[in-house]
This record gives sequence, structure tokens and C-alpha cells, in this order.
Amino acid sequence: AQSVTQLGSHVSVSEGALVLLRCNYSSSVPPYLFWYVQYPNQGLQLLLKYTTGATLVKGINGFEAEFKKSETSFHLTKPSAHMSDAAEYFCAVINNAGNMLTFGGGTRLMVKP
Amino acid sequence: EAGVAQSPRYKIIEKRQSVAFWCNPISGHATLYWYQQILGQGPKLLIQFQNNGVVDDSQLPKDRFSAERLKGVDSTLKIQPAKLEDSAVYLCASSSAVVEAFFGQGTRLTVV
Repeated sequence: AQSVTQLGSHVSVSEGALVLLRCNYSSSVPPYLFWYVQYPNQGLQLLLKYTTGATLVKGINGFEAEFKKSETSFHLTKPSAHMSDAAEYFCAVINNAGNMLTFGGGTRLMVKP
Repeated sequence: EAGVAQSPRYKIIEKRQSVAFWCNPISGHATLYWYQQILGQGPKLLIQFQNNGVVDDSQLPKDRFSAERLKGVDSTLKIQPAKLEDSAVYLCASSSAVVEAFFGQGTRLTVV
């Protein structure tokens, strides 16, 4: 079985500050990892994904995440927050057979002017 | 490329009534997922289809929920009878062999 834990259900940063959203996973097989963003009353939009290869992955809107196998982590970062980044962010894991896409509980990012 | 289509967008029903949701995945996507997202929580997988076969339905409350994917394309999710705790957003997603899942906008169900 696989699972995802997102530390901090709410994160608040000032505009222009570093964004760091934490994600830890458990999986019995090498995982594929994802970050999705959800704006109010919308579905989920993919920010970035890790499958194989380079452990630092870059996504849309200036976000990036680093896969650290030794720490079973896949934290999401952005150097400078923008007001438009305010949303709910979900980390997800899937096994390499493409089954059971499992989500964490989500982190609501608030950006203060 | 058209995205994942879901209908209706909103539904309000009384408890013990039945309701059905419809999903049309992206053309050519073999994998289809249904998720339940309760307010303030992450999406919970209800069922995963590969073409028209079920890959996983371990978290589907089978006494009241059912889902089908005829001909490996469109899918319907049904709840009968509905309970108050079924109030949630029901998300449909599809993916191809490259693993990335694309989500519809969801159906917001309110059970009163």
C-alpha cells in the first residue's frame, strides 16, 4: 500500500517570499510522484511530475520539486510567491504499474500582500 | 484537445434518493478514475478502470455506490440511496500510458 503525508494543512507566506510545501510518501515500489493545484470550484491541474531520471523537476508557474529517495520526500518550492499562487496543493503518488493514484490531504497556500 | 467532461456540475438531493454522475474522458485514454473529495480533504480514490475492466474498487462503498464504464469510454457513478455524508465533490480523471491524470471540473453533490 502507498500513502502520502502533507505536513501543514495551511501555509501562509508574504508575496515575494519563498514557498515550501512538504510532502512525504510511502511506497513499496519505486513511485511516480506528482503535485497538483486546485483553484476554488475547479478540478485538479498538474504542476509537475517525477517518473524517472533527474530528481529535480520543474513545473509550471515557476514551481519545482526534488525527489529525495533517502528521505522519501517530494517537497514543492517556488522562490518568490505571487498572489495568484493562492490555492490548494496536493501531492500524489502512483505505483509504477500505473495503479492507485493516491493523494495527500492537501495544503492550502495563502499569500499575503 | 478536449478535456475530461463531467455532468452535472451541481446536484442537490434529499437523503435516501438516488443520483448518477457522468464522465466522458479524454479520447484514447484507457484509464479512468472516480474520486470523492470531501470539503477540506484530499481526493479519495473510489474506483479505477482500465478500459472497461475494474483495476481497483477497494474503497468503493459497494452497498450504495456503483460504477460502470461501458465500451471502455464513458463512465457513470451512481449512489443509491444517498446519505448525508455523501456530500462531496466527485471528480473524474483519465490517463493514457504516460501516467499523468487529467481531471474534470467535478460534480458537487449536496445531500440534505
